[in-house]
Amino acid sequence: GAVVSQHPSRVICKSGTSVKIECRSLDFQATTMFWYRQFPKQSLMLMATSNEGSKATYEQGVEKDKFLINHASLTLSTLTVTSAHPEDSSFYICSARSAEGYTFGSGTRLTVV
Amino acid sequence: AQSVTQLGSHVSVSEGALVLLRCNYSSSVPPYLFWYVQYPNQGLQLLLKYTTGATLVKGINGFEAEFKKSETSFHLTKPSAHMSDAAEYFCAVSDGAGGSYIPTFGRGTSLIVHP
Repeated sequence: GAVVSQHPSRVICKSGTSVKIECRSLDFQATTMFWYRQFPKQSLMLMATSNEGSKATYEQGVEKDKFLINHASLTLSTLTVTSAHPEDSSFYICSARSAEGYTFGSGTRLTVV
Repeated sequence: AQSVTQLGSHVSVSEGALVLLRCNYSSSVPPYLFWYVQYPNQGLQLLLKYTTGATLVKGINGFEAEFKKSETSFHLTKPSAHMSDAAEYFCAVSDGAGGSYIPTFGRGTSLIVHP
């Protein structure tokens, strides 16, 4: 079946630095990928829709300058958390739509100290 | 617009007992419905989905769900719980044919299985 690989699985960074998270579709091409944020014991909040070769579409309330999304190829989307602060600490999950439906990555636990 | 309500943030059952996780949805068009499972610090895994056709849908790990349009429900059941079923479960709804619209997730239900 369709597989989405997300790296890293865990990252700890210092406040003020930037962190890049990668999301790859391994055996299919994904013109659209999705980035979610999940707070502890809560549901997934859609942050943005990543479109290959064009600008991402951000949900209301999500800072596009804080969360930079690049979708340079049909198999790779990246989310960069810029100038990270402790409040950015969260679980980030990507998803891609394949012929089988929506497939999710394994998530990235970001801790900003 | 679409929304999902999962009744009960926590459900606790004994091993071997029936599992019932409740999900009600709201959708302006015929919905596509999904159940996902999430283990700690992992992504979401699709358990089952309803698109069209038979309203009783069977998924992986012995789970099934029934689409009831009159009740706008899509409850998840499993006849006999296993310890390995302990996880977070999310119901989701998607509008549009072919799952072309992004699913909206419920808040999740944590399933606790006691030995």
